[in-house]
Amino acid sequence: AQSVTQLDSQVPVFEEAPVELRCNYSSSVSVYLFWYVQYPNQGLQLLLKYLSGSTLVESINGFEAEFNKSQTSFHLRKPSVHISDTAEYFCAVSDDTDKLIFGTGTRLQVFP
Amino acid sequence: NAGVMQNPRHLVRRRGQEARLRCSPMKGHSHVYWYRQLPEEGLKFMVYLQKENIIDESGMPKERFSAEFPKEGPSILRIQQVVRGDSAAYFCASSPVSSGANVLTFGAGSRLTVL
Repeated sequence: AQSVTQLDSQVPVFEEAPVELRCNYSSSVSVYLFWYVQYPNQGLQLLLKYLSGSTLVESINGFEAEFNKSQTSFHLRKPSVHISDTAEYFCAVSDDTDKLIFGTGTRLQVFP
Repeated sequence: NAGVMQNPRHLVRRRGQEARLRCSPMKGHSHVYWYRQLPEEGLKFMVYLQKENIIDESGMPKERFSAEFPKEGPSILRIQQVVRGDSAAYFCASSPVSSGANVLTFGAGSRLTVL
């Protein structure tokens, strides 16, 4: 069965600093990888996804993630964070089955 | 185009009562997924339904929990005889086809509190 590990439960960072949120998944023949963001008291919103092709994927708000098959990782990065990026970030994996498997989440807290 | 609609957003029940959570998928989506988020934890898959069929219920507790997605109307997650451990946020998601490479669209969630 697929599994996802998010190594950091909380990541505190100052505004305009770079950040990396780590995600590792269990190996499978083929996987699809996602990052979702959850703002307080809201549902999950898709941030970015890797399905195939280029291993570096980007979101419209400056986040990027790189699929590394040899490391079985899909770390999320942003070179300069804003206060508004404070949220919970979930990494998720699926194969060709019918469900997403989520990690336990990383709470990004951006301080002024 | 309304997104995935869940109601109620907040529900308070006493132990032993029943909780019914409703989910209307996005227009054109016929696949519905329910996830549960316990405090300080990630989302756990519960059940996947298509219209009138349960496709995968491997994440559903064996007792007290049931789900349906009738031909007409929203999907309903039903919890009978609730206990304090059922307190959680329950998220519904929908997709136009079976998941995998497809992106799920999530609702805002229903937060159940059991007193």
